Amino acid sequence: DQQVKQNSPSLSVQEGRISILNCDYTNSMFDYFLWYKKYPAEGPTFLISISSIKDKNEDGRFTVFLNKSAKHLSLHIVPSQPGDSAVYFCAASVTPNSGYALNFGKGTSLLVTP
Amino acid sequence: DVKVTQSSRYLVKRTGEKVFLECVQDMDHENMFWYRQDPGLGLRLIYFSYDVKMKEKGDIPEGYSVSREKKERFSLILESASTNQTSMYLCASRAERTQTDTQYFGPGTRLTVL
Repeated sequence: DQQVKQNSPSLSVQEGRISILNCDYTNSMFDYFLWYKKYPAEGPTFLISISSIKDKNEDGRFTVFLNKSAKHLSLHIVPSQPGDSAVYFCAASVTPNSGYALNFGKGTSLLVTP
Repeated sequence: DVKVTQSSRYLVKRTGEKVFLECVQDMDHENMFWYRQDPGLGLRLIYFSYDVKMKEKGDIPEGYSVSREKKERFSLILESASTNQTSMYLCASRAERTQTDTQYFGPGTRLTVL
């Protein structure tokens, strides 16, 4: 049963505009959330994370927002660049959990057009 | 820089063969993970290991086994490969200090079972 859901398989945005990727979760025990970015033929790379004690975390062009009551998080990319075109995975984990294994969503493929 | 390497980028095997996928990390991480990535299904956890000789089943362990004889190496074994095991296999590692320690992924092995 998918505990982390990314309901939009794909998103297309123009260069310079904002990209908003959404993620919903069902397990209220999740307390740490991450976004990973994946290019074709490469492994995922860590992008940004947020703890459940916060509602926002910012790193350069990337901001993650967490709404615990709605069990929803979103990743904002401003401004979007063509190099941001990739698949973005939302992931979540629970404390304590041996190895802090991550539960991943199915991913959203972002295309940033010039 | 953390480096996670996987023994093969591409592998083609026949149904019934025994398949070994090797993963090595160079950062003395305690935790190691095997995922598979399939279109429309995202990343699913097969097995993880939180220490040498320790292993735990993930969400989809059926048809797989693992071995962790040394801290830096985590092997995924397909005892008798089947066509439904055709997939992208991703290895990851992380330190076990805190929940916020990042999982680092290898480049992946694309396995085709004929």
